[in-house]
Order: sequence, then C-alpha cells, then structure tokens
Amino acid sequence: GEDVEQSLFLSVREGDSSVINCTYTDSSSTYLYWYKQEPGAGLQLLTYIFSNMDMKQDQRLTVLLNKKDKHLSLRIADTQTGDSAIYFCAEGLSGNTPLVFGKGTRLSVIA
Amino acid sequence: GAVVSQHPSRVICKSGTSVKIECRSLDFQATTMFWYRQFPKQSLMLMATSNEGSKATYEQGVEKDKFLINHASLTLSTLTVTSAHPEDSSFYICSARSRDSVETQYFGPGTRLLVL
Repeated sequence: GEDVEQSLFLSVREGDSSVINCTYTDSSSTYLYWYKQEPGAGLQLLTYIFSNMDMKQDQRLTVLLNKKDKHLSLRIADTQTGDSAIYFCAEGLSGNTPLVFGKGTRLSVIA
Repeated sequence: GAVVSQHPSRVICKSGTSVKIECRSLDFQATTMFWYRQFPKQSLMLMATSNEGSKATYEQGVEKDKFLINHASLTLSTLTVTSAHPEDSSFYICSARSRDSVETQYFGPGTRLLVL
C-alpha cells in the first residue's frame, strides 16, 4: 500500500542549511509535495514537484527527487528561526484522489 | 496563492451537542474538498473526500452518521460533528483542490474542537 516515511526530528543552527528527507512507495505518484505547519495552524503549501522532474528551486527552497529510489528531499538554505515548524512530505495523483502524508519532520532552528 | 478559510477557528461545546465547521475556498472553485483530523504531534488522518454535488466518500473507520459532510457549492463544504463526545476533541483541517489547478491542494487554518 501507499506509505510515506520521514524522520521525526531535525535540529540545525541558524544560518545553516536544513535537509529534510522523505521516502515514498507509490511509484505511480504524479506529484510530490512539501507542506509546512506552524503550531496551531493549518498546512501551508511550500512547493511541489512533478514526478518527471529531478529538481525544483524556489528562492531558499530546493527540492530534489530521485524517482528510482523514491526519495524526495527539501533543502532550506540559510535556515532562520522562522523556519521552525513541522514539514510534511506528501505524494499524490492529480484529480480527486487524496494526498498521502508522512508523519512530519519537526525542524528546530537554534539561534 | 489560493486561500481556504475555516470557521470557527476554535469551538468548545458540551458533550452531546452538534458542531458545524465550515470550509470555504475564497478565491477559487473547488470541485473536491478533503477533511482531515489531526491529533497532537501526529500526522493528518484523512476522514473523507467531498465532491461538489455528490455524497462524500468516507475512509475506513470513520462513521458517516457521526461526521456529516455536505459540499453544496464549489466554494463551501461543511463538516458536522453530531452528538459530540470528548473523544471527538481534535484539530480538524479541510483542504481544497482547485478545479483549474488539480495538482495543488490548499489547506484551511484548522478548527480546534474541545468537547467537555
């Protein structure tokens, strides 16, 4: 069945780069997503990548996709304290099918 | 980016009462909306998929008579928790998929329900 795995915690120093990793099992996934959730809030779509792409960069965010290994990563450059949050990886198809979420990685940024 | 709102943001109710939560897509039309439940420090649990004009599809283990979902228009879906009990206390989050951009799914800010 579908499954998305993430490490639960990551701690980095302010100014360093953060790399959050995710693995998924459904090879038919069309899109892969990264969402950010701050305490008491909903999920904010950060970025997504189409499955035929290897990399996508958007300002401080870089998404790498290794489709062969079903591995997705999110790199945050120059991590700031405001980046402290839970980051969810998700996979999905287009249309009306729901996304499958990982359990989330809690990123702590140390000043 | 697209905006999804939820109302109320927080509600406290007595056991046995019913609570309605609204989910609106403010600047786009959503053919599909999803309802999730999130327990503290846990991931999102999909409860149901709601398509405009048709019955919701519930995930296994979710009682459809307990969690009533109505998706009456392309911008509004409602979740009613009927005869709420303390174990229904949770963070409920909706999301919506744009009719024009089906690869993206936008989330509401969530509704925290506390049943006393």
